[in-house]
Amino acid sequence: DQQVKQNSPSLSVQEGRISILNCDYTNSMFDYFLWYKKYPAEGPTFLISISSIKDKNEDGRFTVFLNKSAKHLSLHIVPSQPGDSAVYFCAASANTGFQKLVFGTGTRLLVSP
Amino acid sequence: DAGITQSPRHKVTETGTPVTLRCHQTENHRYMYWYRQDPGHGLRLIHYSYGVKDTDKGEVSDGYSVSRSKTEDFLLTLESATSSQTSVYFCAIGLTDTQYFGPGTRLTVL
Repeated sequence: DQQVKQNSPSLSVQEGRISILNCDYTNSMFDYFLWYKKYPAEGPTFLISISSIKDKNEDGRFTVFLNKSAKHLSLHIVPSQPGDSAVYFCAASANTGFQKLVFGTGTRLLVSP
Repeated sequence: DAGITQSPRHKVTETGTPVTLRCHQTENHRYMYWYRQDPGHGLRLIHYSYGVKDTDKGEVSDGYSVSRSKTEDFLLTLESATSSQTSVYFCAIGLTDTQYFGPGTRLTVL
């Protein structure tokens, strides 16, 4: 049972436009959410996170929105750059005292010049 | 960047042979994790450790064992490798509110 779902395997956008990556979760105990970016042949790198007490968190070009009632979060990248081309993983955790993360299947973003 | 290294980075082995992957950290962090990444599955937790000699199973632990005799090293062992264990393996350490990952080991079991 996939508790964290990324239903779009891939997304293509043009440079300068907005990229929106979506993530849905089913476990109502999840209260902390993260986005990771992964380039080929490298490990995932932390991008941005949000706690369930917030509905938005912004860091430069990256903004994560959380809709708890819909159990949905999204990552907005504005403006998109070719260097943003990577696989993006959504992850979630319940506050069990340490970080045990559940990951989605990933969305491959391609930003074309 | 968190100081996490994995060895080997690539390995090809045959079915039935034992394989050990090593994760080494220089951050002195208590929590360490092993994940595997497969197409269509994302990253799945195999085992994790919350201290020296303290380990527990994750989501996909069958066929794997781990050991942690020192804070800095976390070993993942495939006692008898199978083709279904062909994957990319990532080690991670937990820091504050997130985890930091190593560069990965690509394992191919023929």
